[in-house]
Amino acid sequence: EADIYQTPRYLVIGTGKKITLECSQTMGHDKMYWYQQDPGMELHLIHYSYGVNSTEKGDLSSESTVSRIRTEHFPLTLESARPSHTSQYLCASAGTSGPSSGANVLTFGAGSRLTVL
Amino acid sequence: SQKIEQNSEALNIQEGKTATLTCNYTNYSPAYLQWYRQDPGRGPVFLLLIRENEKEKRKERLKVTFDTTLKQSLFHITASQPADSATYLCALHTGGFKTIFGAGTRLFVKA
Repeated sequence: EADIYQTPRYLVIGTGKKITLECSQTMGHDKMYWYQQDPGMELHLIHYSYGVNSTEKGDLSSESTVSRIRTEHFPLTLESARPSHTSQYLCASAGTSGPSSGANVLTFGAGSRLTVL
Repeated sequence: SQKIEQNSEALNIQEGKTATLTCNYTNYSPAYLQWYRQDPGRGPVFLLLIRENEKEKRKERLKVTFDTTLKQSLFHITASQPADSATYLCALHTGGFKTIFGAGTRLFVKA
């Protein structure tokens, strides 16, 4: 079944640690996204990718970085985590073909809840 | 820049009634408007989209309307059930490759 997977689901780490949040999709989608969401708040786009070797910063400034070496994989890295990075991180993808491709409908992973102490 | 406004107050309704949620946007009308459902601690799940030249779209117990003059979309759930309790997000494609979201409206359906 086509899907999008995020690991870890939950992570508690200390300040200054380097972390990588993994995101993989099996749908062959070209477009992938990272959103950040705090409880009860809207989703904020922090990174996106049009395809392999393309990455762009989103509307919300973030100290994280991303890479897109393979179509199916879009990991997010924080070099030195701080308590202000505590949040829910949601990965999503969208296809470029099909009847709704112009609408940019997103398929989301279950999210990674990061807590930095 | 384009912004989306959804009622931040939770909506409480009785089982069997129709829930109506509102989404307003600023600036230009998008070619498409989308609705998603989000359960606590999970990612949003796509429900329906409506195109700018469509006034109404239905899917089972869900109905979406789109008024480009008012810059508003209404999302209806008929014969609501406790399992419909969730946060419902309005989203639109701003062009290029970006989709932006409202903060969502929390719906509680009481048995």
